[in-house]
Amino acid sequence: GENVEQHPSTLSVQEGDSAVIKCTYSDSASNYFPWYKQELGKGPQLIIDIRSNVGEKKDQRIAVTLNKTAKHFSLHITETQPEDSAVYFCAASTWAGANNLFFGTGTRLTVIP
Amino acid sequence: DVKVTQSSRYLVKRTGEKVFLECVQDMDHENMFWYRQDPGLGLRLIYFSYDVKMKEKGDIPEGYSVSREKKERFSLILESASTNQTSMYLCASWGLAEGMEQYFGPGTRLTVT
Repeated sequence: GENVEQHPSTLSVQEGDSAVIKCTYSDSASNYFPWYKQELGKGPQLIIDIRSNVGEKKDQRIAVTLNKTAKHFSLHITETQPEDSAVYFCAASTWAGANNLFFGTGTRLTVIP
Repeated sequence: DVKVTQSSRYLVKRTGEKVFLECVQDMDHENMFWYRQDPGLGLRLIYFSYDVKMKEKGDIPEGYSVSREKKERFSLILESASTNQTSMYLCASWGLAEGMEQYFGPGTRLTVT
């Protein structure tokens, strides 16, 4: 089955700096790569996703890049703010009718004011 | 807005007890999922259901069963709770009309003593 590795497990940045979280996947058939943000006391929520026919996607301060050849994808957050502090999960999926996501182990991001 | 609710935020049960975790979604989604979340392990899929009375094993089904008698409700059952089932349990739902996003409930933190 699919194996998704995520690094780093914790990340601290100064407010205003950029943060980068990286993930690798093993199954070349995976074609959908979402990123979820989990705030304290809440369930994960989708913040951005990318499909395998696209190399990069941006939404305001967040962007995701995908390298299919190397089987890795990354989340980039620019101009970080304290409210960006949360746990971030990457995931990978093949379209199999039930959208079964394989999650990474999570990155706890702390933005220091 | 999609809403996924879980019956309890916190539960404390004794070893050997039968435990029911309930999840309800209000968006008529076909697919529902149960994950457990543990530090350093991310989210792991226990079971999912793609229709009423249908269920499929995920990555870690041992010690768990599920029930889906109505489309909006998906129950996770621990037949005989054990201490290694102490964890955060997350329910999610997904519908074809919603694109690829899974919507998560707030989670139930279960402690088995």
